[in-house]
Amino acid sequence: AQTVTQSQPEMSVQDAETVTLSCTYDTSENNYYLFWYKQPPSRQMILVIRQEAYKQQNATENRFSVNFQKAAKSFSLKISDSQLGDTAMYFCAFGSGTYKYIFGTGTRLKVLA
Amino acid sequence: GAGVSQSPSNKVTEKGKDVELRCDPISGHTALYWYRQSLGQGLEFLIYFQGNSAPDKSGLPSDRFSAERTGGSVSTLTIQRTQQEDSAVYLCASSHLVEFIADTQYFGPGTRLTVL
Repeated sequence: AQTVTQSQPEMSVQDAETVTLSCTYDTSENNYYLFWYKQPPSRQMILVIRQEAYKQQNATENRFSVNFQKAAKSFSLKISDSQLGDTAMYFCAFGSGTYKYIFGTGTRLKVLA
Repeated sequence: GAGVSQSPSNKVTEKGKDVELRCDPISGHTALYWYRQSLGQGLEFLIYFQGNSAPDKSGLPSDRFSAERTGGSVSTLTIQRTQQEDSAVYLCASSHLVEFIADTQYFGPGTRLTVL
C-alpha cells in the first residue's frame, strides 16, 4: 500500500529565512505525481508545486522548490525568503495510477515576523 | 466557473437530521473527489467519481453516507441521520484525468458541518 509520511507536525521560520519541509513516501509504482498543497487558515487548499516522477529535474515555482529523490522516495519542499503569507498547513500528496491521492498528515508552518 | 465551488459554506444541523452538501467542479474536469477533514487533521478520502460513476467508494465511513454525480458535473454528498462524529470540513476537488495517473486536484473552499 502507498503511504505518505510527514514527520514534522509543526515548524517555524523567521521571515526572509529559508525552511525545508520533509516528506517521504512508499510505493512500488514507477509513474506517479507528487504534490505539495498549502492550506491557509481560510481552509482553501492551494497547489504549491507538482513533480512528475519520470522527470529528474526538480520542480521550482518562484520561491518554492522541491528536492525529489526518487530512489530514496523523498520529496521535500524548500521555501526561500519566507513571508508571513506562507503561514499555513502544508500537505504532501502522492497521485497514482488508481486515480487516488494519498495525503500526508501535514506540517503546520508558522512564519515569524 | 473559474474554480471549484461548494455550498453551503457552513451547515449546522441537529443530530439525526439528513444533510446534503453540493460541489460544482471546474468545467471540463472528469474526475471529482470528496474528502473529510476533521479539526487540525489531514484529509480522509471518501469517494471518487469518473464522469457519473464512482469506481472507488472505499472511503465512505458508513452506509449513512452516499454521493451522486449528474451530467458529469455537479455532485451531492448526502449524510443521513447525522451523528456528532460527522462534524468536520468536507472538501471537494476536481481534476482532469490523465491516462493512468492522478493529475493535479483543484479544491473547493469546503463545507464546515457541525452536528449538535
